[in-house]
Amino acid sequence: EADIYQTPRYLVIGTGKKITLECSQTMGHDKMYWYQQDPGMELHLIHYSYGVNSTEKGDLSSESTVSRIRTEHFPLTLESARPSHTSQYLCASMTGFVSEAFFGQGTRLTVV
Amino acid sequence: AQSVTQLGSHVSVSEGALVLLRCNYSSSVPPYLFWYVQYPNQGLQLLLKYTSAATLVKGINGFEAEFKKSETSFHLTKPSAHMSDAAEYFCAVSDGGATNKLIFGTGTLLAVQP
Repeated sequence: EADIYQTPRYLVIGTGKKITLECSQTMGHDKMYWYQQDPGMELHLIHYSYGVNSTEKGDLSSESTVSRIRTEHFPLTLESARPSHTSQYLCASMTGFVSEAFFGQGTRLTVV
Repeated sequence: AQSVTQLGSHVSVSEGALVLLRCNYSSSVPPYLFWYVQYPNQGLQLLLKYTSAATLVKGINGFEAEFKKSETSFHLTKPSAHMSDAAEYFCAVSDGGATNKLIFGTGTLLAVQP
């Protein structure tokens, strides 16, 4: 069973609010990822990290930011939420070479 | 650039029937290929992966996939569908580089009819 957790699972928030989506893993994985998933669409990589103090933007441009101060923690922040940010956000972690990525259960964000 | 294409966003089969979910890839380097399954309101779970060893890969829950370089395909099959197989299935490709980034297809929603 994967030990990667995302909170909150569901979030409804007003336009302009600042939000942070939490992602934590207890497996000691060095690589962590954030994906954005819309219904009927592929998962788009928006951020990734090789390790502590390492973050990179993914293939899909996103207004969100991330940080990696501790190995186990990879939070995603939106400074000013907009309705276009409404989506499901999935966090994943991995270690080693071409190994299994473990996914959290996701955060479904709705901005009204 | 790498990409995967999943043919058929929705597939419906009867319980006990063959499951065939199609995935074609595009890659300029030898690809590493994956199938993931997502149950409602859950994250993704690895079904199986191809890493250039055997071309026929067996995964969990009775699923398997065959890597065919000549057809650039990695289709997922299961001989006999079960009601519990109803879920969304994603094909993904990685170049195995330092980032190990996964590029996903658009997914196929599998429905299993009793």
